[in-house]
Amino acid sequence: NAGVTQTPKFRVLKTGQSMTLLCAQDMNHEYMYWYRQDPGMGLRLIHYSVGEGTTAKGEVPDGYNVSRLKKQNFLLGLESAAPSQTSVYFCASSYPQNEQFFGPGTRLTVL
Amino acid sequence: QKEVEQDPGPLSVPEGAIVSLNCTYSNSAFQYFMWYRQYSRKGPELLMYTYSSGNKEDGRFTAQVDKSSKYISLFIRDSQPSDSATYLCAMSAGYGGATNKLIFGTGTLLAVQP
Repeated sequence: NAGVTQTPKFRVLKTGQSMTLLCAQDMNHEYMYWYRQDPGMGLRLIHYSVGEGTTAKGEVPDGYNVSRLKKQNFLLGLESAAPSQTSVYFCASSYPQNEQFFGPGTRLTVL
Repeated sequence: QKEVEQDPGPLSVPEGAIVSLNCTYSNSAFQYFMWYRQYSRKGPELLMYTYSSGNKEDGRFTAQVDKSSKYISLFIRDSQPSDSATYLCAMSAGYGGATNKLIFGTGTLLAVQP
């Protein structure tokens, strides 16, 4: 099993550009999450999903959109990137329990 | 005040030392407590998971929860250079469900010197 995978691993954007981050899991987990990690701020929840076709806002949702069209995939979109969105983005998945399994991360720089 | 407080370190110890990592929290509803280990440029991986108060041991690792003091600890015995990583505490009020989200500490950077 690959577990949780994320693409791309690195990306550099210019302000105003858009992009989509893809998360895939092969553990048949119901729940999926997107976090961002910034120095001194820890992991902050952006959006999450409790099942295919459902999404909900987390702690810092502004400037991001998500979709969960398939159970195994969770997409994070930035419509108009801003320098404040420079961060490391982690996807995680879980059964309806609290043990979350994380992907390797995507390093995004917005110039 | 943050819900979960964790000293960022860095904490530097010699190989073989006993390491103590700690978190304090303010929400008395928290009852599920986790420790994640994160190597540089990698995703967090679950290390220990405990419910309510008490101790849990797994090899060289022991997790302690003191709910009366709102304080949790992770002890690492016979520390190894391979233990060098950032350790994140995480906790939640419930078990599963859309509203029982994990709250993370900011992480403590540990360096074990050979």
